[in-house]
Amino acid sequence: QQPVQSPQAVILREGEDAVINCSSSKALYSVHWYRQKHGEAPVFLMILLKGGEQKGHEKISASFNEKKQQSSLYLTASQLSYSGTYFCGQGTDSWGKLQFGAGTQVVVTP
Amino acid sequence: SQTIHQWPATLVQPVGSPLSLECTVEGTSNPNLYWYRQAAGRGLQLLFYSVGIGQISSEVPQNLSASRPQDRQFILSSKKLLLSDSGFYLCAWSLTSGRNEQFFGPGTRLTVL
Repeated sequence: QQPVQSPQAVILREGEDAVINCSSSKALYSVHWYRQKHGEAPVFLMILLKGGEQKGHEKISASFNEKKQQSSLYLTASQLSYSGTYFCGQGTDSWGKLQFGAGTQVVVTP
Repeated sequence: SQTIHQWPATLVQPVGSPLSLECTVEGTSNPNLYWYRQAAGRGLQLLFYSVGIGQISSEVPQNLSASRPQDRQFILSSKKLLLSDSGFYLCAWSLTSGRNEQFFGPGTRLTVL
């Protein structure tokens, strides 16, 4: 079963903050976050691993609550370039297979 | 540095025709390889993944198949396309193990008429 993302869409003005949530019904090994712009391939943002390890871009922050199997991605002081669809991917083992959520569309306006 | 290539970029095929999409990775060895499909306005559906030459795992039963004839080559095939096969097909690679991010290729947009 795929993870559930919320909200489905969000509209921000430049400089505003937003949080995107991702919930799973399974015990997770990892959570991955990607951003996809229209017609392009997804681009890696952040990976959060069971046990607390994280790696990703400096300007992106995220959290992973292992007890609740929930992850949140924080868009702080949003820029126009943050527009796109954000996907979370859940990994339940160490093999690297991911199940992706349906995505959250983010629109940042001037 | 590593790069991933996919071709063709776009493809229009009639129902019932065969399909072959190719993906190659440069600059790394023994990567995990993945095929995803994305329907218009939807999320990413994992179709196949491979941890080595000749090792393919199928995630979704369908009329598609995948092969990995060489370490850095991943091929998606079909003998007879269905209308429902239309979509954006993405190949991705990662270093082995789930502790690593996946890097996506530019994708192939397939339209089945």
